[in-house]
Amino acid sequence: EDQVTQSPEALRLQEGESSSLNCSYTVSGLRGLFWYRQDPGKGPEFLFTLYSAGEEKEKERLKATLTKKESFLHITAPKPEDSATYLCAAQPPQAGTALIFGKGTTLSVSS
Amino acid sequence: DVKVTQSSRYLVKRTGEKVFLECVQDMDHENMFWYRQDPGLGLRLIYFSYDVKMKEKGDIPEGYSVSREKKERFSLILESASTNQTSMYLCASSLSDGTLAKNIQYFGAGTRLSVL
Repeated sequence: EDQVTQSPEALRLQEGESSSLNCSYTVSGLRGLFWYRQDPGKGPEFLFTLYSAGEEKEKERLKATLTKKESFLHITAPKPEDSATYLCAAQPPQAGTALIFGKGTTLSVSS
Repeated sequence: DVKVTQSSRYLVKRTGEKVFLECVQDMDHENMFWYRQDPGLGLRLIYFSYDVKMKEKGDIPEGYSVSREKKERFSLILESASTNQTSMYLCASSLSDGTLAKNIQYFGAGTRLSVL
């Protein structure tokens, strides 16, 4: 069964304390891996798409990487405004199928 | 910018009521989705549609139906609302499954539904 697992469920950091979020997937023939950010009471907001193992993408303090089994979202020197829930989702190979979402990691950054 | 608009941010309904949640997108996307999101369970797909009048069941379709009469509008219907349908409902849309970049799903702000 295709599955996406995120860890940890929750992460508390001090401002400036870098860390990584993990997204493991068991999706044969993965077509792509998506990262979203979700603020409380709002819909998810698209961050990155990764297509193949070894690929990296960056946006401000965030960098996403992809291997054949997992993806990491690295947060460098986080600020309180980075506090949110981060979701990853996998695109199966079959056309016309929906994304498979993980349950998310809730990040809290304190000053 | 892509805009996905959900008709209500908050709704309070009684058990047994018929409930309509409306979603409109303005980017001519072929695909539209309805999810519910609950603490500890993440996003769960209810239904999706890849074309007008077409629909596919997701992981949890029981107790729900959908309607897509126009390309830009996708409605979620709770035929007889129950308390276990209290949740955050999220609508999303995406382009057709051509290149992978077109699979990005854009989400609305969500509707928080309470069934009493």
